[in-house]
Amino acid sequence: EAGVAQSPRYKIIEKRQSVAFWCNPISGHATLYWYQQILGQGPKLLIQFQNNGVVDDSQLPKDRFSAERLKGVDSTLKIQPAKLEDSAVYLCASTNRGAHNEQFFGPGTRLTVL
Amino acid sequence: GEDVEQSLFLSVREGDSSVINCTYTDSSSTYLYWYKQEPGAGLQLLTYIFSNMDMKQDQRLTVLLNKKDKHLSLRIADTQTGDSAIYFCAESYSGGGADGLTFGKGTHLIIQP
Repeated sequence: EAGVAQSPRYKIIEKRQSVAFWCNPISGHATLYWYQQILGQGPKLLIQFQNNGVVDDSQLPKDRFSAERLKGVDSTLKIQPAKLEDSAVYLCASTNRGAHNEQFFGPGTRLTVL
Repeated sequence: GEDVEQSLFLSVREGDSSVINCTYTDSSSTYLYWYKQEPGAGLQLLTYIFSNMDMKQDQRLTVLLNKKDKHLSLRIADTQTGDSAIYFCAESYSGGGADGLTFGKGTHLIIQP
């Protein structure tokens, strides 16, 4: 079974530019999450989708971050415009809400904002 | 609000047991997890415990949960060099469908030969 796919793996941009990340969850997983992991910290939830609907975006900085999952499968996360403090690894995870609600994580996209 | 605390570093000798500790604040947590992150690799679920359990054992791993003190620990028996990684404690509250994980900052496990 293929895992969670993310692209690109690395991205370097200048502040005030825009950037987008893509995630393809494990086939059949209806629930998808985006996390931000700043160096030296644990991942922090940004947004949770159930199919194509948003369940929780309370920690998403909506003035610059947006995310969508139009067909309930792939998802994109966008930052516009980027700030220096957005430098982090952006992790996508998915789950089929099994027995212990295990979330499966992708390899992440490492963003550097100069 | 939710908060998960862990010590940042733990150094042990190869072959000894490692004990990584975590405290959490959300008494409504349904599941508590331990994730492992190796350099350049994604997060890997090591083990989990349901909130109504006190202990769970899985091969070299033992999880202890003290609900009264909101304290969770992970014991790794016979620690090997391959266990060198960052270990994250995480909690999940399942209510209203919102069940994103709240992670600690991670404990760096360093193995001495």
